[in-house]
Amino acid sequence: DVKVTQSSRYLVKRTGEKVFLECVQDMDHENMFWYRQDPGLGLRLIYFSYDVKMKEKGDIPEGYSVSREKKERFSLILESASTNQTSMYLCASSLEETWGYTFGSGTRLTVV
Amino acid sequence: SQKIEQNSEALNIQEGKTATLTCNYTNYSPAYLQWYRQDPGRGPVFLLLIRENEKEKRKERLKVTFDTTLKQSLFHVTASQPADSATYLCALDSGGYNKLIFGAGTRLAVHP
Repeated sequence: DVKVTQSSRYLVKRTGEKVFLECVQDMDHENMFWYRQDPGLGLRLIYFSYDVKMKEKGDIPEGYSVSREKKERFSLILESASTNQTSMYLCASSLEETWGYTFGSGTRLTVV
Repeated sequence: SQKIEQNSEALNIQEGKTATLTCNYTNYSPAYLQWYRQDPGRGPVFLLLIRENEKEKRKERLKVTFDTTLKQSLFHVTASQPADSATYLCALDSGGYNKLIFGAGTRLAVHP
């Protein structure tokens, strides 16, 4: 069964901490994405990657960075966590254009 | 900027009836549109993709239409069951690398 695995379901971090969210896919997909989901706002794209070491900003990249050193792993980094980054973070992958995404189960991050 | 609108109010229907959810978009002409199902606390699950040159797509009890003139997609669940209760998201391609823009979703509640 193909999978996208996010390392944590729930995280609580303090303001100012550096936070790493990890995502691993086992489907050899080219494209990987990080979204955050907030009530009433839907999913908003933070960053995406279309190949190893390649990354592009999404719609809301401020305060975030990403790393893709291996094809299967795409990491989201909150450089200095703030309370407005409290959210559900969703990682997804897709094989190529027009394919549906496979999402992970999400990480609910709370910054206090 | 691109905008996707889904009815924010929950849709409540009786078991066995057909549920119809609406997705409207502005300021864009997507090459394809996707629908996802999301259960509470979980990542979205891909259901269907419909391309701009397709009027209708079916999968089991699901049917999606795509009207590029009206800039609208309709998502139908026929012979609905309580297990169909979930939030349904529509998503449009955002131009390249299979980037998607998501609507905020509509919650469907099917009552026995």
